[in-house]
Amino acid sequence: EPEVTQTPSHQVTQMGQEVILRCVPISNHLYFYWYRQILGQKVEFLVSFYNNEISEKSEIFDDQFSVERPDGSNFTLKIRSTKLEDSAMYFCASSEALGLDSRENEQYFGPGTRLTVT
Amino acid sequence: DAKTTQPPSMDCAEGRAANLPCNHSTISGNEYVYWYRQIHSQGPQYIIHGLKNNETNEMASLIITEDRKSSTLILPHATLRDTAVYYCLRGYGNKLVFGAGTILRVKS
Repeated sequence: EPEVTQTPSHQVTQMGQEVILRCVPISNHLYFYWYRQILGQKVEFLVSFYNNEISEKSEIFDDQFSVERPDGSNFTLKIRSTKLEDSAMYFCASSEALGLDSRENEQYFGPGTRLTVT
Repeated sequence: DAKTTQPPSMDCAEGRAANLPCNHSTISGNEYVYWYRQIHSQGPQYIIHGLKNNETNEMASLIITEDRKSSTLILPHATLRDTAVYYCLRGYGNKLVFGAGTILRVKS
């Protein structure tokens, strides 16, 4: 069964450093997402991406964050200058279709990258 | 704002049906109801979704009331591996808005 994969599984970085989290979405999916979950808190939407453009982003997704699809398979999340409060699990997701008010658009999540900022 | 209401926790005996309720009284006519679960900080796992008809797949059944103000996720024969946080979500644009969910503990 196809699945979303993410690397690395755990990333430790120092405050102020840049990190890039990588995701390989399901191959025939066209819509990509990043979510994060701070330890003990809810899963929060960060950004959605389609056709090489951001389609929606949350207030969390400020200028320190960027996303890119550098080739036909990878989808990356970059944090330019990490802060302590960026420590969280980051989940990538993908879906075949867009819009949660239509039939075939369930989002499939990867296992996550645990980011620890020290 | 998750716009759904779920009990914070439930227990279920192994082998029995687990019935997880969700209230979504302000749902609009074209919004689907989605269910996901998260097992111990793994990525959320899609379970099922529906609009107004009851739905069934290999994982679960979804019963939506006729007025669409509430729904119930049914795991017909719960196992220990079904212990997880279960989230009921409404279709809302193209982002999933997670609440706190229901912690389901399946006990032997």
